[in-house]
Amino acid sequence: ETGVTQSPTHLIKTRGQQVTLRCSSQSGHNTVSWYQQALGQGPQFIFQYYREEENGRGNFPPRFSGLQFPNYSSELNVNALELDDSALYLCASSPSGGVKNIQYFGAGTRLSVL
Amino acid sequence: GESVGLHLPTLSVQEGDNSIINCAYSNSASDYFIWYKQESGKGPQFIIDIRSNMDKRQGQRVTVLLNKTVKHLSLQIAATQPGDSAVYFCAETTSGTYKYIFGTGTRLKVLA
Repeated sequence: ETGVTQSPTHLIKTRGQQVTLRCSSQSGHNTVSWYQQALGQGPQFIFQYYREEENGRGNFPPRFSGLQFPNYSSELNVNALELDDSALYLCASSPSGGVKNIQYFGAGTRLSVL
Repeated sequence: GESVGLHLPTLSVQEGDNSIINCAYSNSASDYFIWYKQESGKGPQFIIDIRSNMDKRQGQRVTVLLNKTVKHLSLQIAATQPGDSAVYFCAETTSGTYKYIFGTGTRLKVLA
């Protein structure tokens, strides 16, 4: 196990709703990255948080937003849900900002938008 | 998107044989590469990494080869076991950026 925990494990929402996903990073890790993984595809980078600030962002619209807390846990918020938002959302933590550090993934939250 | 793959390629290997999983990466500026294993219902699990100043790195039962000339990465698994059955992803990244770009993934099936 990586020590990265995500909640909830599964979630069902309807189009237009808002959702908050949570991630607790591995002890000692101050950087959290979020990824979206559609069925049959590799994870796609959403954004990264380092010391409570967004450190980089992928090609996702502003309705995808996040937070990182002083204890380095993190939230992913998605507003105005669309059917295509249905995916596995993965959180990964690493020891510091930047990318040349191994990212350790949680088991993910499976979001279904109906 | 940066990681596109509607159809997951599958590699079937007899238990005990060696497996070779290939990956073509996209960015010639990428300088750090990682292989992840993802089992059903779980997040990606780190297997091995390699920096661009190397062309080979070995771990326990796994070897990663990097060919920068043709932008190709491979993962070799020795004496494949049933527990190796999973989807394998390569990921690339570049200094100064903040994201991993994942490949399409390959499903490895180990036949008894």
